[in-house]
Parts: sequence; structure tokens; C-alpha cells
Amino acid sequence: EVQLVQSGAEVKKPGESLRISCKGSGYSFASYWITWVRQMPGKGLEWMGRIDPSDSYTNYSPSFQGHVTISADKSISTAYLQWSRLKASDTAMYYCARRGPIPGLYYMDVWGKGTTVTVSS
Amino acid sequence: SYELTQPPSVSVSPGQTASITCSGDKLGEKYASWYHQKPGQSPVLVIYQDSKRPSGIPERFSGSNSGNTATLTISGTQAMDEADYYCQAWDSNTAYVVFGGGTKLTVL
Repeated sequence: EVQLVQSGAEVKKPGESLRISCKGSGYSFASYWITWVRQMPGKGLEWMGRIDPSDSYTNYSPSFQGHVTISADKSISTAYLQWSRLKASDTAMYYCARRGPIPGLYYMDVWGKGTTVTVSS
Repeated sequence: SYELTQPPSVSVSPGQTASITCSGDKLGEKYASWYHQKPGQSPVLVIYQDSKRPSGIPERFSGSNSGNTATLTISGTQAMDEADYYCQAWDSNTAYVVFGGGTKLTVL
């Protein structure tokens, strides 16, 4: 079964650092881009950026560029999303998702269950 | 930046047809995808490449995309289809993915 397993919920204080993870299984992890999507409480989906695990090439939404870092370790089939200094406004659910296999298209065919991040003093 | 616009809400009676639109500049020249999300759950892909259904998605879900508008159509809507629906496209010029704001489908 193809699946993405995300790390557990986090509660942090403003200014702290954080890294959450997304582990793929049931498929060739390096062959599919991983996307990160934010969903703030009661709000819609926002594309944050993506990584190609085969070479770790990334690109980010302008809204998130410089505030988060996306990385991957293909040897352990895991992608990461990290913050160096959290803000209260980072409180949200974060999903990782796999880009579908058809060249020239970008849709997300497999989603993780999400990681809740709460930032509060 | 590229934007996709959806109506905030759509209502439909059980057994009727629901249509949810997604508008964007020359959207018909891109490929649209659709996801549904039920409360407390992750999004699920229901349509990709404008009109293709992933394995396991019922035939009552269909899609189209032309001009500036993509449309998700649910025929014979069931209570279980009540969810938030999001359209999505890829702006290949910028390499950015864009989501619509989402539409809450209510089955009355």
C-alpha cells in the first residue's frame, strides 16, 4: 500500500525551531515529488512548496520562501518541513502529499494524515 | 500571481446534480484537479487532468475545463458527498501550484 506517514502533533513556543517529517512507503520514494500544504484553522489549502527527492531540488511559494525549509533524505524515504523561528501564525495543520506520476501534470494523488503544529506562549 | 476562484458554498438536494466551478485566467490552457475534504480528514483526489477519475472514485464524479472555468459535477449527489471541495492547477510559468479557496458542498 502506498502511504505517507507524518510525524505527530507538536506544541511549541514562538521563536522555537521545529522539523516535522513525512515518510513514504510502498513506492519508489525518489521517483515522486513531495509537496507540503498548509491548512490554517477553518481555512483552505495553501501550497507551500515541493521537493524532488532524487536530487533535493526545491521550489517554494513566494508566501513561504525564506520562512520554511523543505528537505529530504531519500535513503530513508523521508521528507521534512522545518522552521528556524516559529510564529504564532504558523499554527496550522500541515500535510505532505505525493505528486502524481504523469509527466507534465501536477496533482497530488496520495496525502499524509497531517501534522498539527500549535505555536503558543 | 495566479488565482483560482470558487464559490464559497453550493447546496444540492440528495439525488440531484451538483456543479462546482473554479475560475482562473485561461484556466482551460492548464490542467485542473479537484479534491474533497471531509471534516477532520485529509484531502482526497477526485479528479485529475481535468476529467480523469482516480481508482476508487465513483463514476458520479466528473470534470470539465474550458476557457476560464473548470467544473466539477457530481451526479446523483449523496449525503456522503457533503464536504469541502478544492480545485487546483499548476502554473507552469512560475512552477507554482495554486489552490482555489474551496467550496462547501451541502447536501440538504
